[in-house]
Amino acid sequence: DSGVTQTPKHLITATGQRVTLRCSPRSGDLSVYWYQQSLDQGLQFLIQYYNGEERAKGNILERFSAQQFPDLHSELNLSSLELGDSALYFCASSVAGQGFSEQYFGPGTRLTVT
Amino acid sequence: QQPVQSPQAVILREGEDAVINCSSSKALYSVHWYRQKHGEAPIFLMILLKGGEQKGHDKISASFNEKKQQSSLYLTASQLSYSGTYFCGTEKGSGAGSYQLTFGKGTKLSVIP
Repeated sequence: DSGVTQTPKHLITATGQRVTLRCSPRSGDLSVYWYQQSLDQGLQFLIQYYNGEERAKGNILERFSAQQFPDLHSELNLSSLELGDSALYFCASSVAGQGFSEQYFGPGTRLTVT
Repeated sequence: QQPVQSPQAVILREGEDAVINCSSSKALYSVHWYRQKHGEAPIFLMILLKGGEQKGHDKISASFNEKKQQSSLYLTASQLSYSGTYFCGTEKGSGAGSYQLTFGKGTKLSVIP
């Protein structure tokens, strides 16, 4: 158990819908990272937040957005869902704010778009 | 640009050694190694910063050749628990907020008795 929690574990929704994935970092960690893992694209970094502020951006689509709240939990919002958005979404946390340090991954949310 | 990992897959018997390579076409700031077992989250192994350092813990070590933009992960005397997919992630960055961590497609390692 990494100490990072993600909800829900599974999500099945239809194309065109909007969903919100939630992540709570390990106690004491200020950075939260979001990743998308699919069979054809592998593990892709989406975005990083540190203490409520966006710190780094990866291959995140405009239909996707994220935020980190004062209690440090983070949410990833995915809208206008397409079949290709079906993937495993991981959240990770670390103590560091600048760049990437040792990250602890949550169990992931498996999103299926039908 | 996604780093290239080789081999794509390897099968070892317990006790054998393996090397997994990770190459990038871009200058790197750091290389990160993670292991992921099927259906589980990736687990951090180590980070190597530019400067050509070598790191290790237990029987897993890694090197980072900054000039060649290449890192290698060494697994010695493999154990069944080493099975999984190994990912390298490469980071290039300059200045706050410009960091990108790009993962390779992974190397599937299977250790058999």
